[in-house]
This record gives sequence, C-alpha cells and structure tokens, in this order.
Amino acid sequence: DIQMTQSPSSVSASVGDRVTITCRASQGISSWLAWYQQKPGKAPKLLIYAASSLQSGVPSRFSGSGSGTDFTLTISSLQPEDFATYYCQQANSFPPSFGQGTRLEIK
Amino acid sequence: QVQLVQSGAEVKKPGASVKVSCKASGYTFTSYYMHWVRQAPGQGLEWMGIINPSGGSTSYAQKFQGRVTMTRDTSTSTVYMELSSLRSEDTAVYYCARVRSSHPPDAFDIWGQGTMVTVSS
Repeated sequence: DIQMTQSPSSVSASVGDRVTITCRASQGISSWLAWYQQKPGKAPKLLIYAASSLQSGVPSRFSGSGSGTDFTLTISSLQPEDFATYYCQQANSFPPSFGQGTRLEIK
Repeated sequence: QVQLVQSGAEVKKPGASVKVSCKASGYTFTSYYMHWVRQAPGQGLEWMGIINPSGGSTSYAQKFQGRVTMTRDTSTSTVYMELSSLRSEDTAVYYCARVRSSHPPDAFDIWGQGTMVTVSS
C-alpha cells in the first residue's frame, strides 16, 4: 500500500499570508494526487485533482504542483474562510490513501 | 443538482450491524464508481471500499474484509454500506463519495453529508 505523509501537521497563519502544504508518497504516483479541504462537521471538499487541476468553483488562490512522490498545495493569499484541515489523497492505485491532514489555524 | 444524500445517525450496541444508505441524484447513477470513507472523531480519513453501481462489483480494504458489504439498487439510485460485528472503534462518521472519472481510485468530487454511527453499550 502507498503511504501518504503530509507536513506540517499544523500551521498558524494570518489573513493575506501565502501558505504551502507538502505531501509525500511512499512510491511514485505520477500526477494522481488530490487535495481536499474539510471544515468542522462538514464533508471534505475537492480542491485539486491530477496534482494541479483546479476543481470547478474553487477559487484561483488555490494551486497544486508536483509529480512522482512530492506534491504541494499553495494558498496564495489566505482568506478567513480558508482556515480548515487539508488532506492529500493518492488516486493512482488501490487502496486509495490519505495523508494524516494539515490543520490551518489563525495566528 | 448533483448530490448524495445519506441516511440518518445510528446508535448500535457492540456486536450489532449497521446499514447506511446513500441516494444519488442529478447524474447517471451507473456511470460513476462510489466509495465509502470513514472518519473517527478527531481523526483522519480512512478508505473502506468501492462499488461499481453498474455491475455491482466491489473491492474492500483489507481491514474490513469479512465485515463490510456494499450493495446498490439501481431502481432507486442508492448504494448501501453494511458493517457487521460492530465494536467501539467503529464509532465514526461514514461518507459515501463519488469518483470524478472512469479511473476507479481517482479523486472524489461529490460527497454525502455523512452519517454518524455510534457504537456503545
């Protein structure tokens, strides 16, 4: 099975900051990587698929990059509604697996 | 609009079974694989398995083999997840989630609202 490791586990930032979250796969997954945002009590929401493709309706301040084993999610200018937990997911092979999550908190 | 609507919260005793439903609408039900993912309180996301609504074929995570059964009813565009021999560690929110493409492990673009299952004596 492919293990997904996110860093950091939590990060504090201010509105307007640029934030980057990293996800590493235990083996190569090409560009089969997705990013989700989850707010308390809500289902996850797809932000990015295929490592860098923006899901319809997602603001352009979110972007993704990477291929192989190393990936990043960048939020270019944090907005108040962006404070949430973010998960990566490898979509290359079964079983699909998630990172442990990164909690983005207000500084 | 495209949506998945799940059944309501459940409270079960250890050893019992639970069956959660997920009704799809707004798209062709048989054209998209469906996954089940769970999330224990304060924890991350855990993949449980997948069902092909077209033919009914399934694949389950090793951890749940022998305890989970996923089925579908094409007449009502509904998928079901039944988990048996419940224990306290199964207390979690259970989500159904649609795959965005024909590549079965691909990203999940539509999620149900979640069903809280509590296992307690």
